[in-house]
Amino acid sequence: GPKVLQIPSHQIIDMGQMVTLNCDPVSNHLYFYWYKQILGQQMEFLVNFYNGKVMEKSKLFKDQFSVERPDGSYFTLKIQPTALEDSAVYFCASSLLGGNTEVFFGKGTRLTVV
Amino acid sequence: QQKVQQSPESLIVPEGGMASLNCTSSDRNVDYFWWYRQHSGKSPKMLMSIFSNGEKEEGRFTVHLNKASLHTSLHIRDSQPSDSALYLCAAGDNNRIFFGDGTQLVVKP
Repeated sequence: GPKVLQIPSHQIIDMGQMVTLNCDPVSNHLYFYWYKQILGQQMEFLVNFYNGKVMEKSKLFKDQFSVERPDGSYFTLKIQPTALEDSAVYFCASSLLGGNTEVFFGKGTRLTVV
Repeated sequence: QQKVQQSPESLIVPEGGMASLNCTSSDRNVDYFWWYRQHSGKSPKMLMSIFSNGEKEEGRFTVHLNKASLHTSLHIRDSQPSDSALYLCAAGDNNRIFFGDGTQLVVKP
């Protein structure tokens, strides 16, 4: 089936440094999402992105977070600077349309901030 | 405010038993309901969707939807240890989708 690819699968970074998480969504999908999950607990919504713009973001999407998808390239989540509490698994997801179509998730990037 | 509420938070059922999971949306604009399953260490995968009032069955899995109350439920009969996972309910409209916090299901052999 359709696949969302996330690179890297693991990332260890020093607190205060910048990190960029990369996502290659399903090729014809129009909606993109980032979710944060700590230790297999709830999937926490961060942000969704459509037509080159952030549509909605949660309180977890702090000022240090940003997303972009330059034409034809990865959908990225940048955290600058990182904090210890940013350690989590970050899932990228995409869907063809909005809530009426299936959301496909990547395998996640495990981010460890030390 | 959480737009999708799931209950219970966790559920333990014996192998062969019935597991019943509940989900309600507080957003009256949603029309589409989904159930996703996430095994430990894996990414969520869509399990079932339901868009109309009533019931839908696929093998051991049955979903119900009551659009008036924005309530959906997932029932797993003859539960197997391999069904142990985090079950996420999602509700959406044409532009947005909201996920609940999930129900952690453990099926004990």
